[in-house]
Amino acid sequence: DTGVSQNPRHKITKRGQNVTFRCDPISEHNRLYWYRQTLGQGPEFLTYFQNEAQLEKSRLLSDRFSAERPKGSFSTLEIQRTEQGDSAMYLCASSLALAGSETQYFGPGTRLLVL
Amino acid sequence: GNSVTQMEGPVTLSEEAFLTINCTYTATGYPSLFWYVQYPGEGLQLLLKATKADDKGSNKGFEATYRKETTSFHLEKGSVQVSDSAVYFCALGDRGSTLGRLYFGRGTQLTVWP
Repeated sequence: DTGVSQNPRHKITKRGQNVTFRCDPISEHNRLYWYRQTLGQGPEFLTYFQNEAQLEKSRLLSDRFSAERPKGSFSTLEIQRTEQGDSAMYLCASSLALAGSETQYFGPGTRLLVL
Repeated sequence: GNSVTQMEGPVTLSEEAFLTINCTYTATGYPSLFWYVQYPGEGLQLLLKATKADDKGSNKGFEATYRKETTSFHLEKGSVQVSDSAVYFCALGDRGSTLGRLYFGRGTQLTVWP
């Protein structure tokens, strides 16, 4: 168990550029979540996958955001035409969903700064 | 809907002081409750959890009891250390739903002075 990993850890980009983040969950975890955390706030849910199926997307996830989890393993989160308001920490979490019990384990996050 | 209200910080304590961070929740189903901790420059780490009413979660000297009657899950520690300085997040997961998302409070910054 090596934990949830995220790459890159930091990303600086110019407004209008596209960025892509990667998350590698704990092996055998069937659920994978993306959250966004802005300064001074708690994480806010963006989307989640069970295996390769994307089961829910938050209203926070505009059309410029897309997430994939091919083959139910790693996941990518892409932001197109970035805006300064996209600057935040993007957190990935994974879990093994069992009836009545689930604990999400978080990665270190990718900090995005849009100039 | 589901939501978490957390005591506002920052909280500043001297080493060995008693800590309480209040957390109350609103839930439509049968939630599990969590405390996560975020140390400077690091990701969120699960501190403790409770899955049903009257359960007590505990870890590293921290405790929280799931109180359904008061819809609360207050975090306590009898004697804090400088190394406990971090941001603490209360979170709710709705076990009764097919959705697995967590709802987080805004976080409480704790600083412990020697």
